[in-house]
Amino acid sequence: AQSVSQHNHHVILSEAASLELGCNYSYGGTVNLFWYVQYPGQHLQLLLKYFSGDPLVKGIKGFEAEFIKSKFSFNLRKPSVQWSDTAEYFCAVILDSNYQLIWGAGTKLIIKP
Amino acid sequence: DAGVIQSPRHEVTEMGQEVTLRCKPISGHNSLFWYRQTMMRGLELLIYFNNNVPIDDSGMPEDRFSAKMPNASFSTLKIQPSEPRDSAVYFCASSFRGRNTEAFFGQGTRLTVV
Repeated sequence: AQSVSQHNHHVILSEAASLELGCNYSYGGTVNLFWYVQYPGQHLQLLLKYFSGDPLVKGIKGFEAEFIKSKFSFNLRKPSVQWSDTAEYFCAVILDSNYQLIWGAGTKLIIKP
Repeated sequence: DAGVIQSPRHEVTEMGQEVTLRCKPISGHNSLFWYRQTMMRGLELLIYFNNNVPIDDSGMPEDRFSAKMPNASFSTLKIQPSEPRDSAVYFCASSFRGRNTEAFFGQGTRLTVV
């Protein structure tokens, strides 16, 4: 079955550190890719998305993600994190075969002030 | 559009009582999802509707849970009877099924069963 893997369940960083969260999916066809963020006590909100075109996608709050098709990956990056980035981050994929939306398990990010 | 609207935002109920959670998707969206989120189990898909028809309900934990979508603008998730282990945040999300589309989430209903 198709799946989305987020290898880091918990990440702790200091402010100003660089961030990279991994996301890999298992599906050989065309996909739409997403990163969602859930701040403490809030709902999931879209951070950025990839549909087609430039594989380097820029989102809100200085986040970016790169789609590497050969690696089936869509890693999230931010060059310098802030305390306010403390949240849970979810990677998600829509498959073009059936438009099924598949979620990763999420990565809890804690930024130490 | 006001986004996905869920009600109530918070619900506290006694074990054994019936609980009904409500969701109004974004107008024009034809897919609706119910998710449950807990610390222990994370985000779980309970059921997914497309054009008001349940497509995948394999995530519904047991017969105590039921979901309906009588029309394109309203869905309910019912738990009867409720149990303490049902305590969680329940999210509703909607999208337009197809390529190049994203899901939008409601604010969630925090359910506490005592």
